[in-house]
Amino acid sequence: AQTVTQSQPEMSVQEAETVTLSCTYDTSENNYYLFWYKQPPSRQMILVIRQEAYKQQNATENRFSVNFQKAAKSFSLKISDSQLGDTAMYFCAFRRDNAGNMLTFGGGTRLMVKP
Amino acid sequence: NAGVMQNPRHLVRRRGQEARLRCSPMKGHSHVYWYRQLPEEGLKFMVYLQKENIIDESGMPKERFSAEFPKEGPSILRIQQVVRGDSAAYFCASSPSGQGPYEQYFGPGTRLTVT
Repeated sequence: AQTVTQSQPEMSVQEAETVTLSCTYDTSENNYYLFWYKQPPSRQMILVIRQEAYKQQNATENRFSVNFQKAAKSFSLKISDSQLGDTAMYFCAFRRDNAGNMLTFGGGTRLMVKP
Repeated sequence: NAGVMQNPRHLVRRRGQEARLRCSPMKGHSHVYWYRQLPEEGLKFMVYLQKENIIDESGMPKERFSAEFPKEGPSILRIQQVVRGDSAAYFCASSPSGQGPYEQYFGPGTRLTVT
């Protein structure tokens, strides 16, 4: 079974600063996908960024980037130039690359961006 | 193209009543997943369905919970004889395939409150 761990229950950052959210996972699979989802107060789950395990290059989406360390089973999210709208819960998630597409989520990190 | 639809958005039930949660996947998606989110926790996988088939229900409680995804109409998550511990947000997600690089698209969730 896969497990996903987010060791930072809460974090805060000043507007325009950079913050990094940590995520580690445990799996015996070689091919898989990793995701960061954002859940604002509306509770809608919004995909922020995705990483394929077979790709060595770290994924980036505008102000969001990841540091994927496959050997260490680490998948951190960096948010640059933080904005007030980034305030939300952030969930790291894992998915195997075979039949059975279910996501395994970490416990979440509550991020507060301060003006 | 409408996103994943869930209704109702909020549902209040007394202990012992039945709760029915509905999910209409995105157009063209035939794979549906249900997740439960308890307060201050991450989402937990419950069940994975394709049209008329339950593929994986390993996350579903053995009693009182059932799910279906008929040939026509939405997917239904049914909770019989609800108890206070069933109070949670229930999210549905859909994808066009059960494997590969397809992401899951989430609905807005149904918040169930058991009084």
